[in-house]
Amino acid sequence: QKEVEQDPGPLSVPEGAIVSLNCTYSNSAFQYFMWYRQYSRKGPELLMYTYSSGNKEDGRFTAQVDKSSKYISLFIRDSQPSDSATYLCAMKPLYGGSQGNLIFGKGTKLSVKP
Amino acid sequence: EPEVTQTPSHQVTQMGQEVILRCVPISNHLYFYWYRQILGQKVEFLVSFYNNEISEKSEIFDDQFSVERPDGSNFTLKIRSTKLEDSAMYFCASRNWGAGNTIYFGEGSWLTVV
Repeated sequence: QKEVEQDPGPLSVPEGAIVSLNCTYSNSAFQYFMWYRQYSRKGPELLMYTYSSGNKEDGRFTAQVDKSSKYISLFIRDSQPSDSATYLCAMKPLYGGSQGNLIFGKGTKLSVKP
Repeated sequence: EPEVTQTPSHQVTQMGQEVILRCVPISNHLYFYWYRQILGQKVEFLVSFYNNEISEKSEIFDDQFSVERPDGSNFTLKIRSTKLEDSAMYFCASRNWGAGNTIYFGEGSWLTVV
């Protein structure tokens, strides 16, 4: 079983739609969860991070973590064409190593149509 | 906003040659990382570096690879005797002490081995 599973899409939605992106994981040691946005041939750009179960909101973005189900989500409200990118979930344990060894999902490619 | 800068943005090299990828992490950051993304694949951790030494490395980071911080600003990844399968985007990343888990990535260096 892969450590982090993410539906690669592609996901195509009309402008203004609510987008739901999800990842599941198998390692219960993962405690920190991040969402990155990656444009084609560019570096991952940090959108949000959280370490507790529940919701965290930042503008049009809401990150949701359910540790009991090992399931995380990113919601994008009022999606815009500029949101078109690949969204990567990443996670890591609380302890161990240099705390930089992020485990990434494969990414979901999102296209928002005008 | 401070950013991680990487050079070159794209390098083509002959199989068997050595390449050096360069990074300038964010100036007050203390932890430095290299990640790799083969086209269409996940972003994968290679190595982390703190206090002038490697603190963690993945199984990908074998004797072919080395990292160095030759001065107070640069952080380099050297790949010796390149192979075709080393073709990938290489990302440098950094974070500060006590900055939680906000790891910032550079734009990447695209390496093509022919």
